[in-house]
Amino acid sequence: RKEVEQDPGPFNVPEGATVAFNCTYSNSASQSFFWYRQDCRKEPKLLMSVYSSGNEDGRFTAQLNRASQYISLLIRDSKLSDSATYLCVVNVNTGFQKLVFGTGTRLLVSP
Amino acid sequence: NAGVTQTPKFRILKIGQSMTLQCTQDMNHNYMYWYRQDPGMGLKLIYYSVGAGITDKGEVPNGYNVSRSTTEDFPLRLELAAPSQTSVYFCASSPGPSYEQYFGPGTRLTVT
Repeated sequence: RKEVEQDPGPFNVPEGATVAFNCTYSNSASQSFFWYRQDCRKEPKLLMSVYSSGNEDGRFTAQLNRASQYISLLIRDSKLSDSATYLCVVNVNTGFQKLVFGTGTRLLVSP
Repeated sequence: NAGVTQTPKFRILKIGQSMTLQCTQDMNHNYMYWYRQDPGMGLKLIYYSVGAGITDKGEVPNGYNVSRSTTEDFPLRLELAAPSQTSVYFCASSPGPSYEQYFGPGTRLTVT
């Protein structure tokens, strides 16, 4: 089983729609979780950290479900500018701590 | 505060040539990383460093070398370039192994 798994998509949604992505992780001891955004041919950029109690940043809400070992990202009122690939990131400890990046979920928002 | 900077932005190499990709960060982060990303694929860790003078291999280290003589700089050396090394290379830094990583803008390398 991969350490971090994401549905590659693409998710095609109209402007204004609400869309959600899930990401599953295999290491039950993981403690740090993040969502990154990567635009085409650009570097990944931190979108938000994911906290145990869930957290919100404007139109974006991140949730953590430790029992089922997944994190989610909800985007409300989608904008054209939200079109990007969203990377799920989880820390694992395989003798040393490291962050593992998922391969990403592609979102396409259309007019 | 420039964050993580990388040079060059683009480079074309001939098979067998060598080059060094430069990476500098001004956030005083101990941890630095080199990734490669092939088209349509995820990030693969090449090498990482936990501080000046300390480096270690990631998932795909073959064909690459690194050094870390200062906290700020983490150059990646390609020896005997091969077409399989055509990729986008990202450098990143973080204050610790479980903290968020900050990425540079990347170097697009083509080996022909």
